[in-house]
Amino acid sequence: RKEVEQDPGPFNVPEGATVAFNCTYSNSASQSFFWYRQDCRKEPKLLMSVYSSGNEDGRFTAQLNRASQYISLLIRDSKLSDSATYLCVVNDAGDSSYKLIFGSGTRLLVRP
Amino acid sequence: DAGITQSPRHKVTETGTPVTLRCHQTENHRYMYWYRQDPGHGLRLIHYSYGVKDTDKGEVSDGYSVSRSKTEDFLLTLESATSSQTSVYFCAISESSWGAANEQYFGPGTRLTVT
Repeated sequence: RKEVEQDPGPFNVPEGATVAFNCTYSNSASQSFFWYRQDCRKEPKLLMSVYSSGNEDGRFTAQLNRASQYISLLIRDSKLSDSATYLCVVNDAGDSSYKLIFGSGTRLLVRP
Repeated sequence: DAGITQSPRHKVTETGTPVTLRCHQTENHRYMYWYRQDPGHGLRLIHYSYGVKDTDKGEVSDGYSVSRSKTEDFLLTLESATSSQTSVYFCAISESSWGAANEQYFGPGTRLTVT
């Protein structure tokens, strides 16, 4: 079982749609959670950290469910520029807490 | 954007040759990381550094070595390049190793092809 699992997609949605991605992680002791965005042939860029209480940044909302060990990302009013791969990231636990474990990513295509 | 550069950005080399990739940061962050990214595998940690001259192995360290003689520079060396090391290599930095502060910022990447 992968430590961080994501649906690879692609999710193909029209502009203006709402789309949600889920991610599950295996280590219940993980403490840090992030969503990164990666454009084709570019480096990953931090989209947002995910906090226990959930957090929102404009059109993006992230939720954490520790009991079920999953993280979600909701994108409202999708824009063409949202087309990218979204990486779910979780830190390792214990002595390796500095390590981040990356999911393989979910690809989003927003069409006109 | 975080001040991270990588050089070279693209390289083609032959099997058996040594290759060194450089990561340079201007953020004075303590932690630096080298990852490789391959289709179907996501980002995998090769080596990391938690200070000058302090380095340790990641999950895919075989065939790679690193050095950090200054806070701003982290070098990755492929001792004798193999075709399986054809990949995109990313350097990352973080201010801390704990909590929300361990969010990492990435350089633009180096595309390495070993023929």
